[in-house]
Amino acid sequence: NAGVTQTPKFQVLKTGQSMTLQCAQDMNHNSMYWYRQDPGMGLRLIYYSASEGTTDKGEVPNGYNVSRLNKREFSLRLESAAPSQTSVYFCASAGSPHIGEQFFGPGTRLTVL
Amino acid sequence: KNEVEQSPQNLTAQEGEFITINCSYSVGISALHWLQQHPGGGIVSLFMLSSGKKKHGRLIATINIQEKHSSLHITASHPRDSAVYICAVRGASGGSNYKLTFGKGTLLTVNP
Repeated sequence: NAGVTQTPKFQVLKTGQSMTLQCAQDMNHNSMYWYRQDPGMGLRLIYYSASEGTTDKGEVPNGYNVSRLNKREFSLRLESAAPSQTSVYFCASAGSPHIGEQFFGPGTRLTVL
Repeated sequence: KNEVEQSPQNLTAQEGEFITINCSYSVGISALHWLQQHPGGGIVSLFMLSSGKKKHGRLIATINIQEKHSSLHITASHPRDSAVYICAVRGASGGSNYKLTFGKGTLLTVNP
């Protein structure tokens, strides 16, 4: 099992460009999450999907959109990137049989110039 | 909103030392997680606990629900333990949503 995979690993964008971060899990988990990690801030929840077909805002949703494409895939879209969105983005999933434990992807390092 | 505070922010130890990292939170929880992140690396779950104590190898995690406090201990520390250790809590409402609130992490450096 690959666990949680994310693409791309690195990305550089110019202000105003758009992009989609992809996340997939093969553990049959119901819940999936997108976080950003900034120095001195800890992990902050952007959006989450408690189950297929549902999405909800987290702590810092502005400037982002998400799609829960199916049970496996949860994508994060930046419509018009801003330098404040320079960060490391992590996707995670949780659910049966590992009730409550979150499994993280390797992260995407995004720089917006 | 549940505030999660970790201490210390930075910790430097010599190989072999006993390490303690602390985590305090402000409101009731259904579970507390300890996570590890190596420099430039991914995030790995170490423990999930809701009461008492858990042990895995040289790592021990304890939680005191009444005092809203948890500790992560590392016995016989080794340079490969150098990482950021992150405490996270899940709210008391529980259910099928496993949303977590994270502390800012403790950077541990173990020197040989």
